[in-house]
Amino acid sequence: NAGVTQTPKFQVLKTGQSMTLQCAQDMNHNSMYWYRQDPGMGLRLIYYSASEGTTDKGEVPNGYNVSRLNKREFSLRLESAAPSQTSVYFCASSFDPGNYGYTFGSGTRLTVV
Amino acid sequence: EDQVTQSPEALRLQEGESSSLNCSYTVSGLRGLFWYRQDPGKGPEFLFTLYSAGEEKEKERLKATLTKKESFLHITAPKPEDSATYLCAVPSEGGGSYIPTFGRGTSLIVHP
Repeated sequence: NAGVTQTPKFQVLKTGQSMTLQCAQDMNHNSMYWYRQDPGMGLRLIYYSASEGTTDKGEVPNGYNVSRLNKREFSLRLESAAPSQTSVYFCASSFDPGNYGYTFGSGTRLTVV
Repeated sequence: EDQVTQSPEALRLQEGESSSLNCSYTVSGLRGLFWYRQDPGKGPEFLFTLYSAGEEKEKERLKATLTKKESFLHITAPKPEDSATYLCAVPSEGGGSYIPTFGRGTSLIVHP
């Protein structure tokens, strides 16, 4: 089925550990995004990639890095995980930055202990 | 600072009891308003885009309307399967692109 695929679905990390969240889309979209969702906070943009080869910071980029590997794939890396990064992470894609009919993945639930 | 506020935070309805959800926004130069539905444990699913005051969009039991300062999502004769969190988003400028700022959502529960 066409859409956005995120891996893993669940992850528990110890403080200070690193990990990479993977995201891939098969809709030939140009733009990709990483959000985090916390209770009572709504969705907050971490980083986005308007097109292949570009990345920009969103609202809450500190503690994260991203890589737009190719048109299909956009990864999010936590270099040294902190408990404050416990959250649900969503990847999304759209045809272009002005198209807000985003398609979201099913999310990665990350717990940092 | 651009802001998006949704109300109420939570809403419980009986099946068939119509109601409305509100999304108010403060942005300079609206470039659209977007509604999403999110089921527990899943990512948001796009519902509607509204671009200008007076515009309306409908999908099954849902109708979204837009004024200059707010949008309403009207739910007519809801069914239990309409239970979900409804999110609205408004583009705000950042880094040379317009990126949606999401509200915190309204959690809707429809009882049979």
